[in-house]
Amino acid sequence: LAKTTQPISMDSYEGQEVNITCSHNNIATNDYITWYQQFPSQGPRFIIQGYKTKVTNEVASLFIPADRKSSTLSLPRVSLSDTAVYYCLVGSPYNQGGKLIFGQGTELSVKP
Amino acid sequence: GAVVSQHPSRVICKSGTSVKIECRSLDFQATTMFWYRQFPKQSLMLMATSNEGSKATYEQGVEKDKFLINHASLTLSTLTVTSAHPEDSSFYICSARVVSGGRNEQFFGPGTRLTVL
Repeated sequence: LAKTTQPISMDSYEGQEVNITCSHNNIATNDYITWYQQFPSQGPRFIIQGYKTKVTNEVASLFIPADRKSSTLSLPRVSLSDTAVYYCLVGSPYNQGGKLIFGQGTELSVKP
Repeated sequence: GAVVSQHPSRVICKSGTSVKIECRSLDFQATTMFWYRQFPKQSLMLMATSNEGSKATYEQGVEKDKFLINHASLTLSTLTVTSAHPEDSSFYICSARVVSGGRNEQFFGPGTRLTVL
């Protein structure tokens, strides 16, 4: 399974755009890139998933370059409630049963 | 998105007792569920993959006789921590996998806080 590397922590202020980059140099052809958000004492919550180029939904955008060795989660205009740990994972339902291995994640702190 | 529930949300037990945690997919069927453990200030650690109708696959270092997993139906997987000890105190989280058109999405339960006295 591809290993991911993310910054351990990031600080931001309310209203700013936050970009969290994840590197996954060993990503396999069938792997998708998925981002999750986790608040303390809660299960992770799915944010967004993509395979290549750009994906956008109501909460975030995901940018994936052509070589797919990295990806960037973009959170527009963050608020205090976006303070959480964000995990980047890569995996495929066709590889090792679709299991996901969590890295250390990025602890985002949004300040007023 | 798909909803996954866990029961109980928190449990306190005495050392040496066994504790069962249930994971249910409420609005979809899941042939594969996963069990994770998370210690304070750490990431989630995958314990095992639970497949409906077959034996679970455990990650290296996870004792299968201590953490019993049963995936008896397409909507229910259970994790039983046998002869629990204080070092088993942790946050246990399950997830259910949805496969659609090659996408690999996992939906997570809210977690179960286990405290062993």
